[in-house]
Amino acid sequence: AQSVTQPDIHITVSEGASLELRCNYSYGATPYLFWYVQSPGQGLQLLLKYFSGDTLVQGIKGFEAEFKRSQSSFNLRKPSVHWSDAAEYFCAVGAGDDYKLSFGAGTTVTVRA
Amino acid sequence: GAVVSQHPSWVICKSGTSVKIECRSLDFQATTMFWYRQFPKQSLMLMATSNEGSKATYEQGVEKDKFLINHASLTLSTLTVTSAHPEDSSFYICSAPHSGRISEQYFGPGTRLTVT
Repeated sequence: AQSVTQPDIHITVSEGASLELRCNYSYGATPYLFWYVQSPGQGLQLLLKYFSGDTLVQGIKGFEAEFKRSQSSFNLRKPSVHWSDAAEYFCAVGAGDDYKLSFGAGTTVTVRA
Repeated sequence: GAVVSQHPSWVICKSGTSVKIECRSLDFQATTMFWYRQFPKQSLMLMATSNEGSKATYEQGVEKDKFLINHASLTLSTLTVTSAHPEDSSFYICSAPHSGRISEQYFGPGTRLTVT
């Protein structure tokens, strides 16, 4: 079965600074990888996804992620964060044809002025 | 883009009563939907897979008699929390894959259940 680890529970970053959120997955084959963002009390919004091809994936809101098979990682980055980026970020992995997603524990991002 | 709605967005019920949560795919049909549970400051835990026209499949440790799932149509799945207890208080989120593709899975906004 697949699993996801997000090592950082909470990250604080200054507005305008860069942000990187770590995600490591465990799966025997090439997984489907996702990053979602959740604002307080809200559902999930897909930021980006990776299935195959170019290992650097561009998403919405200026986010990008890079798939590194050798490191089993799919880290999320943003060059310059905005106060509105404060939220909970979840990495997820899916595999096979059953559409099930396994989520990491999430990383809370706080943006300071 | 595709939209998944949930109703209600917030519900308070008394201990011992049952509460029903609806999940609808508004502009696409979904033969499969998923129900997740999220505790405060925690990740989403998959509870069950809702299958149109057949029984739901539950993840290990989830009580099927406690959390009744009915996939009434290609656009509607319901989760009924029976004989609710305060420990059932949580944020419940549904999702549906568009066109049967994991790459196009859309999430509802969630339902906050508080059991008093």
